Amino acid sequence: DAGVIQSPRHEVTEMGQEVTLRCKPISGHDYLFWYRQTMMRGLELLIYFNNNVPIDDSGMPEDRFSAKMPNASFSTLKIQPSEPRDSAVYFCASDLAESSYNEQFFGPGTRLTVL
Amino acid sequence: GQSLEQPSEVTAVEGAIVQINCTYQTSGFYGLSWYQQHDGGAPTFLSYNALDGLEETGRFSSFLSRSDSYGYLLLQELQMKDSASYFCAVRDGDQAGTALIFGKGTTLSVSS
Repeated sequence: DAGVIQSPRHEVTEMGQEVTLRCKPISGHDYLFWYRQTMMRGLELLIYFNNNVPIDDSGMPEDRFSAKMPNASFSTLKIQPSEPRDSAVYFCASDLAESSYNEQFFGPGTRLTVL
Repeated sequence: GQSLEQPSEVTAVEGAIVQINCTYQTSGFYGLSWYQQHDGGAPTFLSYNALDGLEETGRFSSFLSRSDSYGYLLLQELQMKDSASYFCAVRDGDQAGTALIFGKGTTLSVSS
């Protein structure tokens, strides 16, 4: 398996623009997570899905952020409008609830810079 | 809610042994995990402890004491490539499939 795939790897945009981040989880995994990492706040959970259904979105900072998972192999995280404080690395991760090792698999991340 | 405490930085020399401690507070408990992250990279899984005791995987070992809400990651025979950030993490609940809550991370710097 190719692992968790994220695109784009880098995104530079101007304040006010819409940003869409994409994620393809590992085939067969039933959980998908979106995390954001900054120096100040560390690695924080934004939202996660189980079998394509959002379970907990309490970490989504505000209404400008939205996430969807239309099928088992694809998810998007959208920011509209973007602001400079959204600059961070956004990670997508997936795992299998039945795994005995409690391991989450992370994608390479999308480094977002909002000017 | 959940919270984890770990030191922010640790330094060591090649060949040495270093221990990174983690204390946690959780409403439920489903094991303690450790992840490694190299600068600019993705977090990668290192180890998982569901029960008390020591788990060994090559040069790395992880320990858990549930009664003390405490664990540590032990890195032996340190190499330059071990310079990275190390995160402890717990599940946000007492079952599989819930999200991971991460500590702030410990930056390990290994020098020659």
